[in-house]
Amino acid sequence: GIQVEQSPPDLILQEGANSTLRCNFSDSVNNLQWFHQNPWGQLINLFYIPSGTKQNGRLSATTVATERYSLLYISSSQTTDSGVYFCAVDSGSEKLVFGKGTKLTVNP
Amino acid sequence: DAGITQSPRHKVTETGTPVTLRCHQTENHRYMYWYRQDPGHGLRLIHYSYGVKDTDKGEVSDGYSVSRSKTEDFLLTLESATSSQTSVYFCAISIQGYTEAFFGQGTRLTVV
Repeated sequence: GIQVEQSPPDLILQEGANSTLRCNFSDSVNNLQWFHQNPWGQLINLFYIPSGTKQNGRLSATTVATERYSLLYISSSQTTDSGVYFCAVDSGSEKLVFGKGTKLTVNP
Repeated sequence: DAGITQSPRHKVTETGTPVTLRCHQTENHRYMYWYRQDPGHGLRLIHYSYGVKDTDKGEVSDGYSVSRSKTEDFLLTLESATSSQTSVYFCAISIQGYTEAFFGQGTRLTVV
């Protein structure tokens, strides 16, 4: 099945810094999503982005499907951005496969 | 809010007892999924459903069964709970398999 690798596994930032999270996948995809799991465990949808670029406030994402990777950009980070960021993909099996996540800590 | 309710939200049970978790949706979506989340593993698929009475296994299906008798409800049953099934369980829904999926708030299950 498809493999999903996220990097870095851990990231510590000072408030106000920018960051880039990466998701590599091993096969072509027809679904790619980014999620934020907050400290209370809730999974929050950030982007549905099987290809192209999207922006939502301080967050943006780019998926280059032909090169099998996606990037999540967080600008001017805030303490509320802390948590785990997951990338999940579907390669046609009609079910999402998750990476192991990037744990982000934003210090005040 | 994606209209997904998981129940119970927390449960402690003893080894060997049966446990049923419920996922209820108000969106009339065709696809429903059960995942488990464990440290170091991310989320892994247990079972999924693509319609009433249509279900299939996921990556970690051993020890679990599911049923879907109505569009809105997807039940996950642990026939005889074991300590290795201590986990956080998430339900998800989507219109089609390749469309955006939305997750419930999770059920924390502890097997002692």
